[in-house]
Amino acid sequence: QQQVKQSPQSLIVQKGGISIINCAYENTAFDYFPWYQQFPGKGPALLIAIRPDVSEKKEGRFTISFNKSAKQFSLHIMDSQPGDSATYFCAASPHTGFQKLVFGTGTRLLVSP
Amino acid sequence: NAGVTQTPKFQVLKTGQSMTLQCAQDMNHNSMYWYRQDPGMGLRLIYYSASEGTTDKGEVPNGYNVSRLNKREFSLRLESAAPSQTSVYFCASSEDRKLNTGELFFGEGSRLTVL
Repeated sequence: QQQVKQSPQSLIVQKGGISIINCAYENTAFDYFPWYQQFPGKGPALLIAIRPDVSEKKEGRFTISFNKSAKQFSLHIMDSQPGDSATYFCAASPHTGFQKLVFGTGTRLLVSP
Repeated sequence: NAGVTQTPKFQVLKTGQSMTLQCAQDMNHNSMYWYRQDPGMGLRLIYYSASEGTTDKGEVPNGYNVSRLNKREFSLRLESAAPSQTSVYFCASSEDRKLNTGELFFGEGSRLTVL
């Protein structure tokens, strides 16, 4: 079963717009929630991560919002740029280690010029 | 600084053939992982190694074997390839979770096609 559900599967946003990707989880043992960015032909790379003791984390144009009670978290990309076009994966892992890291199914983002 | 290096980048096999995917990291990480990436499925863990000399099954280990040759190298072997193993394979490494920000470092992937 899919432990981390990610939506939408694909997203088209105009340059300068806001991109929003959502994820939901069931396992309350998860305590680390990273987002990975993957460009075509490359491996995923960590973009930003959050732990459940905070509700929001911002790094530049990228923000994670976390709702512990709803077991949901989302990635917001402000002022989206064509260079942000990539596939984004949310993930979650428990404190017991990264061998338990579970990825969402990915969102392909296209930012049109 | 190469990070995580995978070879080969592309491979075409016939059903029943065997092959080994090689992975090496130069970051002195203890933990290494093999994932497969399929459309609509995200990344799924095949095997991982928490330290030199240890390996454990992940979510989808059937049809694969691994070897942690030393701290730097972690190989993935397909003994008898099947079309269902057509995928993009990623090797990754990480420091111990308690010591760092929790980042996995991925290689650039190995695209395998089984005919």
